[in-house]
Amino acid sequence: GAVVSQHPSWVICKSGTSVKIECRSLDFQATTMFWYRQFPKQSLMLMATSNEGSKATYEQGVEKDKFLINHASLTLSTLTVTSAHPEDSSFYICSASLLTGIDYEQYFGPGTRLTVT
Amino acid sequence: GNSVTQMEGPVTLSEEAFLTINCTYTATGYPSLFWYVQYPGEGLQLLLKATKADDKGSNKGFEATYRKETTSFHLEKGSVQVSDSAVYFCALSEGRGSTLGRLYFGRGTQLTVWP
Repeated sequence: GAVVSQHPSWVICKSGTSVKIECRSLDFQATTMFWYRQFPKQSLMLMATSNEGSKATYEQGVEKDKFLINHASLTLSTLTVTSAHPEDSSFYICSASLLTGIDYEQYFGPGTRLTVT
Repeated sequence: GNSVTQMEGPVTLSEEAFLTINCTYTATGYPSLFWYVQYPGEGLQLLLKATKADDKGSNKGFEATYRKETTSFHLEKGSVQVSDSAVYFCALSEGRGSTLGRLYFGRGTQLTVWP
């Protein structure tokens, strides 16, 4: 089946530094990937839609200069949290869209736990 | 707009009990409906889905029927196991290629099953 990986699975960084999270579709090409943020015991909040070869589309309220998304190839999207602060600590999950039949289905990565100290 | 309302948890059951987690939705067009499961510290896994009215999705003993008349997609399992303990998310997508599969999630329901 379709597999999506994320790297790293967890990361601890100091306040003010930047962190890059990678999302890869391992056995299929994904024109579109999605980035979500999940707070403890809460649902997933869509942050942005990442389109290969073009700029990401950010949801309302998400700072595009803080959460930089790059989708440089059909199998890789990256999320960079710039100048991280403790309030950015969260679980970040990506997903990749795959056309199955006439509908697109999303396959999720295992998530990245970010802790900013 | 699109939204999903999901029964709030947590839900605590004994092993072999019957499970129902309610989910209703609001959508434009003809959405596809999904249940995802998230085990502790992991990402989401698709549990089952239904793409049109009256379809029944099923997997691992779980079932859900797409009810257009009541705009519902309730998750059921006849006999839960300890290994079913996880967070369950109901979700919809607009389907038919719209927005390339963007999902709208409910808030999630934590299920704990005791032996």
